[in-house]
Amino acid sequence: GAVVSQHPSRVICKSGTSVKIECRSLDFQATTMFWYRQFPKQSLMLMATSNEGSKATYEQGVEKDKFLINHASLTLSTLTVTSAHPEDSSFYICSAALQASGGAGNEQFFGPGTRLTVL
Amino acid sequence: AQSVTQPDIHITVSEGASLELRCNYSYGATPYLFWYVQSPGQGLQLLLKYFSGDTLVQGIKGFEAEFKRSQSSFNLRKPSVHWSDAAEYFCAVGRGGTASKLTFGTGTRLQVTL
Repeated sequence: GAVVSQHPSRVICKSGTSVKIECRSLDFQATTMFWYRQFPKQSLMLMATSNEGSKATYEQGVEKDKFLINHASLTLSTLTVTSAHPEDSSFYICSAALQASGGAGNEQFFGPGTRLTVL
Repeated sequence: AQSVTQPDIHITVSEGASLELRCNYSYGATPYLFWYVQSPGQGLQLLLKYFSGDTLVQGIKGFEAEFKRSQSSFNLRKPSVHWSDAAEYFCAVGRGGTASKLTFGTGTRLQVTL
């Protein structure tokens, strides 16, 4: 099946610094990638939809200036957490959509996630 | 707005026993429904999905799910659980033109006893 990688898998940073997380589709091209945030023992919350070559679409309540998303190529999307604070500590997961034939219902392939800890 | 409810936070079953994980959804249109499994250190893996047609859907690893519109449910079942099935299971509903925007339930953690 299609493989999505994330780097780094774990990062610890100081409050006020910025952290970049990469999401790559390794064996397919993804015009759309998604970024999720998962709190401990909770569900995944969609943060934004990233389309190659255009601005990301953010879900309600997600600060676009705090969470910068860039989708520069069909295989790479990045999430930058700017001026990180302890409340930004979380598990960040990306997914890449593989368009299904007939256009009905794209399947998403998920990366393994990145654990961000802000001290 | 769409929502997904997984009433059971944690379920424990014995290996070889049958399993049913519950999922209820709220969505104004015809739902696109998914079940994913999350294992530590691994990305979410799609078990099965329902878009239309036969309401009993077969998935990977011996899982199946049945869509019941009248009950707004999409319960996941497996006739005989293996120890390797221990993981977190998420039900999700897709929205948007291609059902790509997923709303997840809170998950059910499955523990398998030997």
